[in-house]
Amino acid sequence: GESVGLHLPTLSVQEGDNSIINCAYSNSASDYFIWYKQESGKGPQFIIDIRSNMDKRQGQRVTVLLNKTVKHLSLQIAATQPGDSAVYFCAENIPGNQFYFGTGTSLTVIP
Amino acid sequence: ETGVTQTPRHLVMGMTNKKSLKCEQHLGHNAMYWYKQSAKKPLELMFVYNFKEQTENNSVPSRFSPECPNSSHLFLHLHTLQPEDSALYLCASSQGDATDTQYFGPGTRLTVL
Repeated sequence: GESVGLHLPTLSVQEGDNSIINCAYSNSASDYFIWYKQESGKGPQFIIDIRSNMDKRQGQRVTVLLNKTVKHLSLQIAATQPGDSAVYFCAENIPGNQFYFGTGTSLTVIP
Repeated sequence: ETGVTQTPRHLVMGMTNKKSLKCEQHLGHNAMYWYKQSAKKPLELMFVYNFKEQTENNSVPSRFSPECPNSSHLFLHLHTLQPEDSALYLCASSQGDATDTQYFGPGTRLTVL
C-alpha cells in the first residue's frame, strides 16, 4: 500500500467491487489525516478526514480506518464506479507542523 | 469546484522569461499555500502565507518569488527557471494555519524549455 514515503503505484478493480487503498505513516505524533482524490488534469480534492481520537469514519461510499498501533490508514470505497478512477493519496499532520503527503495510488476501475 | 482558482492552467516558458502564476480563493480562508507536484513524488510545500504574512519558505530557490497582497490572492513570480522546475504548481487555502484542512486549486502545468 501507499505510504508517506513508499507507494503502491496502481490498483485495478472491477466496477461494482469494493476498493481498499492503504497508507502507512511514520510519525506516531501525527493526529490528523486526510485522503485526497486527484483526477487527471485536476487538483487534489478532499474526500474524507479522520482525527487520531477515532479509528473509523464514514462518508458517502467511503470509509477511512485508522490503526494507530501500526501507523496505518486505509480508504475503502464501496461499489467502485468508473468516476472513482484517479490517484488517491493520504496526508498526515503533526500538531503545529505542516501536512506531509504520500505519493499516491492510481486506482483504475474496469467497466 | 473547490473555491480555489488558478490561472493560467498551462504555461510554457523559456529559461530567460519572467511569468507569474495567480491563485484566488473564494472561501474566506486566512492561509494560502504554494505546492510543487512532480511526477511520482509527494507534494512539496513551497510557501505558506497566514493573514498575508509569509510564515514558511521551504528552502525554495530565489527564482521563485511569492506575493500575497491580501488573504484572497496569491501570486508566484517566476524568472530564470530551469527545465527541472517543470511541474504542476498547486495553490491551496485553509481556514487557519497549516494544521487545518487544505483545499486545492486545479493547478498550473508549467513547462520550462
